[in-house]
Amino acid sequence: DTGVSQDPRHKITKRGQNVTFRCDPISEHNRLYWYRQTLGQGPEFLTYFQNEAQLEKSRLLSDRFSAERPKGSFSTLEIQRTEQGDSAMYLCASSLVPSGGNEQFFGPGTRLTVL
Amino acid sequence: GEDVEQSLFLSVREGDSSVINCTYTDSSSTYLYWYKQEPGAGLQLLTYIFSNMDMKQDQRLTVLLNKKDKHLSLRIADTQTGDSAIYFCAEENAGNMLTFGGGTRLMVKP
Repeated sequence: DTGVSQDPRHKITKRGQNVTFRCDPISEHNRLYWYRQTLGQGPEFLTYFQNEAQLEKSRLLSDRFSAERPKGSFSTLEIQRTEQGDSAMYLCASSLVPSGGNEQFFGPGTRLTVL
Repeated sequence: GEDVEQSLFLSVREGDSSVINCTYTDSSSTYLYWYKQEPGAGLQLLTYIFSNMDMKQDQRLTVLLNKKDKHLSLRIADTQTGDSAIYFCAEENAGNMLTFGGGTRLMVKP
């Protein structure tokens, strides 16, 4: 039984570069979420998909951020023209709805450092 | 808006009980969750409670929910050094997104 996986685990980039992260959810899960966590804070919601449809986007998700889930399985999160303020841990979670509770299972995260 | 508050830090001795508290503001929350995060790791789901329940027990973990006061607590019985971590409470809103508190760092002293 594999959990949620994320790739890469760490990314160091220079300001202005584009980066792309990948998330593979638990195989039968239909919902996939992206969160961002900065040091000393709780995760903040960015966006989520049900199957391939992107249903909600946070105000935190500026125009430089785009997320896709083309076949309803894995998802990618791209950040264009990175800024130092984008440095954070990017967490992916998946869940199966409907179920007793919308338990979201998290991956290990991708830590982004923008120099 | 939604806001989830937790105290920053809790220190207990090994073998004692730990109680981590959380307050939330969204009265329409359907589920409330507790997650554990160890250094450099993702979040591990510990337990959750449906909003029409007062209490849920799962082995060493007891969740208490006071919906009137919008207060949630997590009690860890017989706390072990392996329980040292950051604990996050989270509420689920109508859109099924989670709003997390800032986390409580639990330190367990031998």
